[in-house]
Amino acid sequence: GENVEQHPSTLSVQEGDSAVIKCTYSDSASNYFPWYKQELGKGPQLIIDIRSNVGEKKDQRIAVTLNKTAKHFSLHITETQPEDSAVYFCAAFTQGGSEKLVFGKGTKLTVNP
Amino acid sequence: SQTIHQWPATLVQPVGSPLSLECTVEGTSNPNLYWYRQAAGRGLQLLFYSVGIGQISSEVPQNLSASRPQDRQFILSSKKLLLSDSGFYLCAGTPSGSTDTQYFGPGTRLTVL
Repeated sequence: GENVEQHPSTLSVQEGDSAVIKCTYSDSASNYFPWYKQELGKGPQLIIDIRSNVGEKKDQRIAVTLNKTAKHFSLHITETQPEDSAVYFCAAFTQGGSEKLVFGKGTKLTVNP
Repeated sequence: SQTIHQWPATLVQPVGSPLSLECTVEGTSNPNLYWYRQAAGRGLQLLFYSVGIGQISSEVPQNLSASRPQDRQFILSSKKLLLSDSGFYLCAGTPSGSTDTQYFGPGTRLTVL
């Protein structure tokens, strides 16, 4: 089955710097890759996603890139702000498979003012 | 747009007591529904998922069960809680016409004493 690895597990940056979180997946048939942000005590919030027919997607300060050949995808946050501090999860989904998202173990991002 | 409701928000229960957590979905029909558990500081563990009324798939054999009595209602139950059942329980669902994009509810914090 699918396996998703996420790195780093913790990341600390200064306000205004960029942050990058990377994930690799094992199933070459995976075709949908969402990213979630989870603040303390809350449910995960979908912040951006990408499908396998696209290489990059941007939404204001957030971008996701996908390399299907290498089977990895990354989340990029530019001009980080203290409110970006949270745990971020990546996931992979295989259409026509088990109809489940497989999640990475999460990255705790801290943005220092 | 889809909204996931979970009830209750927090719950403290003694070991050996029964459990019933409810998830209801608003703004969509025939969603796929999911129950996840998250231990403190940990990732997301898929417990059950359902693609329709009365259809439940179990991911991890354990002390819990799930039911889907109505299209937009998903219930997580236990007859006798264990200490290890403590955690943050999250319900997620897919919007109409989608099988991959999942939106999460606010979660239920369960403490078993």
